[in-house]
This record gives sequence, C-alpha cells and structure tokens, in this order.
Amino acid sequence: AQSVTQPDIHITVSEGASLELRCNYSYGATPYLFWYVQSPGQGLQLLLKYFSGDTLVQGIKGFEAEFKRSQSSFNLRKPSVHWSDAAEYFCAVGTMDTGRRALTFGSGTRLQVQP
Amino acid sequence: DVKVTQSSRYLVKRTGEKVFLECVQDMDHENMFWYRQDPGLGLRLIYFSYDVKMKEKGDIPEGYSVSREKKERFSLILESASTNQTSMYLCASTPGGSFSGNTIYFGEGSWLTVV
Repeated sequence: AQSVTQPDIHITVSEGASLELRCNYSYGATPYLFWYVQSPGQGLQLLLKYFSGDTLVQGIKGFEAEFKRSQSSFNLRKPSVHWSDAAEYFCAVGTMDTGRRALTFGSGTRLQVQP
Repeated sequence: DVKVTQSSRYLVKRTGEKVFLECVQDMDHENMFWYRQDPGLGLRLIYFSYDVKMKEKGDIPEGYSVSREKKERFSLILESASTNQTSMYLCASTPGGSFSGNTIYFGEGSWLTVV
C-alpha cells in the first residue's frame, strides 16, 4: 500500500523568501503525485501533478515540484513567497492499482508567512 | 468549471443522532469519495463509489455508511453519531474508469460537531 510523509507540520517564512515543502512517498511502482493547497475554511485546490516525463513540473501560482525517484521525494518549491500563500499544503499519491481508486494524502504542512 | 457541492457547511448534532451529509457533483463523474480531515492526520478516505449503487470501503469506514442512488449524488451517513466523529468531511469526484491520475475535484467541506 502507498503512503505519504510530510515531515514538517508547520513552517514559517518571511514574505519574499523562498519556500520548500517536503514530501516523501512509499510505493513500489511509479506513482502519480500531487500537491494540493487548502485555504482556511475551504476545500482543496490542485497546485500541480506529476504522472510521467519531465521530473520538474510547473503548477499554478508560481509553484513547482521536482520528482526524485532515488529519494522517493516530490518537494514543492516557490522562489518568492507572497502573503496570500499562507495555507495548508497536502502532498498526495495515486497509483495504477484499480482496487484503490482514491488518493492517499500526507498529514499536511501549514505555511505561515511573516510580513 | 466542475462543481462539487456539499449542502451543509456547518452542522451540530447530538450523540446518537443519525446524520446525513450530502454531496452533489455536476460533471457526470463516475467516481466519488468521502474523506475525513483532522489536524495532524491529513485526509483519510472513508468510502468511495465508482458507479451508482457501487461502493468500496476506504481506510476508516467504521461508524459510517454511504448511499449512491443517482450518479451525481453521494451521501455519507453516520448511523449513530459519536463525539469522535467531530471533524471536517470532504467530498470529491473524478472522471470514471479505473484510477488514472485524473484531477480530483473537492467540495468546500462540511464541519460536523457532535456534542
């Protein structure tokens, strides 16, 4: 079975600073990988996804993520954080296993942005 | 745009009550899901459905049941609500067939408090 670990529960960065949120997954084959963002009181919005091909994927709002098979990681990055990026971020993994038609999510990382 | 609507955003119920959480999607998606979200635990899958009247247990089905009588509607039922079911519940949907990494669309969530 697949699993996802987000080792950082809470991160605080200054506005304009760079950001990296960590995600490690466990799955035997090539996974489908996702990053979602959740603003307070809202549902989840897809930031980006990786299925195959180029290991560096670009998403919305200036985010990018890099798939590193050797490290089983899919870290999310942004070169310059804006105050509106304060939210909770979830990494998720999906698979080709047809018996499992849903994503498995990590526990989330809450991002706080200081002025 | 795909719309997943959870009709009740905030509910307060008493222990032992039967609770219905309703979810409707407007894009003819075959797959629908119910997740539960708790701080520090991320999203955990309760049940999913890949067709009308079809359902599969997720990771934490105990204390819950579901109903899918029409393709667009997926209901989560708490037969006898308990305080440990106080949580945020998220409904989601995705296009059909076996899971292929399609984008999952989420509703805005239903906050349930059981007193």
